[in-house]
Amino acid sequence: GAVVSQHPSWVICKSGTSVKIECRSLDFQATTMFWYRQFPKQSLMLMATSNEGSKATYEQGVEKDKFLINHASLTLSTLTVTSAHPEDSSFYICSARDSTNTDTQYFGPGTRLTVL
Amino acid sequence: RKEVEQDPGPFNVPEGATVAFNCTYSNSASQSFFWYRQDCRKEPKLLMSVYSSGNEDGRFTAQLNRASQYISLLIRDSKLSDSATYLCVVIEGFQKLVFGTGTRLLVSP
Repeated sequence: GAVVSQHPSWVICKSGTSVKIECRSLDFQATTMFWYRQFPKQSLMLMATSNEGSKATYEQGVEKDKFLINHASLTLSTLTVTSAHPEDSSFYICSARDSTNTDTQYFGPGTRLTVL
Repeated sequence: RKEVEQDPGPFNVPEGATVAFNCTYSNSASQSFFWYRQDCRKEPKLLMSVYSSGNEDGRFTAQLNRASQYISLLIRDSKLSDSATYLCVVIEGFQKLVFGTGTRLLVSP
């Protein structure tokens, strides 16, 4: 099946630093990728929809200046958490929609962010 | 009211038992429905789609009741490996997945 990778799988950083998370579709092209956040014992919440070559669409309540999304190619989207704070500690998961099979989204393995 | 609601559980069942989960959704315009499985600290994985006519995949049966806006998942002959959190997922708009909080299942020997 289709494979989506995320890097890093986990990261610990100091408060105030920025963290970049990469999401790659390894064997298919993805014009659209999605970024989710999951806090402990809560559901996945969509943060933003990332479209290749255009600006991301953010969900209500998600600060676009804090969570920078870049989708510069058909196989790579990045999420940068700027000036991270402890409350940003969470499990960040991306998904990618196969451009040739738009009914299916494939999830990456997730990135666990801990901000000290 | 949450868009997608599930009983968080946990459901503790012995091996071989039959267990059923329900999920309700608030948006009557939703068209696509899924069950995902999520293991601890892992990404969710698609278990099965849910169709109005009901569908079965081995030990798993999913049903959709549009009038009542609820979705169900039945697991027969539970295995230890079925222990996980089961997420009810509804698609809204253009491919926007809305997840329920999940129902945790623990299957014991």
